[in-house]
Amino acid sequence: EVQLVESGGGLVQPGRSLRLSCAASGFTFDDYAMHWVRQAPGKGLEWVSGISWNSGSIGYADSVKGRFTISRDNAKNSLYLQMNSLRAEDTALYYCAKALVEMATIEDWFDPWGQGTLVTVSS
Amino acid sequence: EIVLTQSPATLSLSPGERATLSCRASQSVSSYLAWYQQKPGQAPRLLIYDASNRATGIPARFSGSGSGTDFTLTISSLEPEDFAVYYCQQRSNWPPNTFGQGTRLEIK
Repeated sequence: EVQLVESGGGLVQPGRSLRLSCAASGFTFDDYAMHWVRQAPGKGLEWVSGISWNSGSIGYADSVKGRFTISRDNAKNSLYLQMNSLRAEDTALYYCAKALVEMATIEDWFDPWGQGTLVTVSS
Repeated sequence: EIVLTQSPATLSLSPGERATLSCRASQSVSSYLAWYQQKPGQAPRLLIYDASNRATGIPARFSGSGSGTDFTLTISSLEPEDFAVYYCQQRSNWPPNTFGQGTRLEIK
């Protein structure tokens, strides 16, 4: 069974940093692109960032470009999101999601998703 | 950036009825459209990808259609567990993968 478990969320002051992790199991991690998607409280879904299976292709939403960095460690079956210069509008539940198809291009569908980790940016 | 507009915002129906949800793209996305279901307190779940392909384990009452700019998710006969929020997503013009704002399907 595929499992994605996010961690690292919490309460952080504006301007500070936070690093999210996503531990993956139940599939060959280094065969799949991975993504981060966030959902502000009571709002819709917003794609944040994605990384190809070999880290050769990476993309960011304009809202986080230059502040967030996605990375992965295939030896540890883990996905990361380094978030710097956090703003109040970054407050959200952050999901990691696996690409649907192995060895597919980075712009693949998301299946499945983890349960998310909550990031709250407030002074 | 491609904008996806979902309609209606809220749909009120009874179990057993047919649900039709719409997603319109600001420019053609070919067939690069997916539908997700999200229940309260849960992560989204992939229902339909590439406009009309059901994901693994998705019941046959869910179907998707459309291409270009106009897409439809149809639930042929609503079950109690189908009442949720539904999002469409495109991947034609990446980055970003954009989502629609969602349609809330509620019990009438």
